[in-house]
Amino acid sequence: DTAVSQTPKYLVTQMGNDKSIKCEQNLGHDTMYWYKQDSKKFLKIMFSYNNKELIINETVPNRFSPKSPDKAHLNLHINSLELGDSAVYFCASSHMRGGEQFFGPGTRLTVL
Amino acid sequence: DQQVKQNSPSLSVQEGRISILNCDYTNSMFDYFLWYKKYPAEGPTFLISISSIKDKNEDGRFTVFLNKSAKHLSLHIVPSQPGDSAVYFCAATTLDSGTYKYIFGTGTRLKVLA
Repeated sequence: DTAVSQTPKYLVTQMGNDKSIKCEQNLGHDTMYWYKQDSKKFLKIMFSYNNKELIINETVPNRFSPKSPDKAHLNLHINSLELGDSAVYFCASSHMRGGEQFFGPGTRLTVL
Repeated sequence: DQQVKQNSPSLSVQEGRISILNCDYTNSMFDYFLWYKKYPAEGPTFLISISSIKDKNEDGRFTVFLNKSAKHLSLHIVPSQPGDSAVYFCAATTLDSGTYKYIFGTGTRLKVLA
């Protein structure tokens, strides 16, 4: 039973396109996150949502827009993709009180 | 400004020996520290954590030590097994806007040699 799932696992697209990555968690967690792992292997937080409300929005271009239709889903939409957006994107969830996060398997985005 | 640092990008250890992975941090407001393990093509998985009010936490072969005065934590794996070969991330949390913000180190690749 998958706790945090992401689709797609791989995404290859051209510069300038718009794409979405979906994330779902079945753990009943309050808080969901998007992370970007770049070529230097830094895992940097992009967004955090708590009960469908945006809590943390790091310095991310506004081409990136998270959408949380309900507590169990946090999707990431990216407009006008650029070469520098190529990375692995991880979704995660946790209880609001903190503690361990549960990560999805990642989506490897390649922008050509 | 990297608030959580793992200065050793890689570490090789013989099977059966102790693996020690280190992590340094700069923010004294961090209240919780975690270690994650990551295999290729998978997301990080939680391994063990420690509250800032403790100095040691043990779970089976894994022990985390926290030295607050030195702003240093370490993960000890004894005995090391080939299946422990993975990238290990340390992370620290702080309360931000009513929710917990996690800051990760850059990871240490552990290779356990059979």
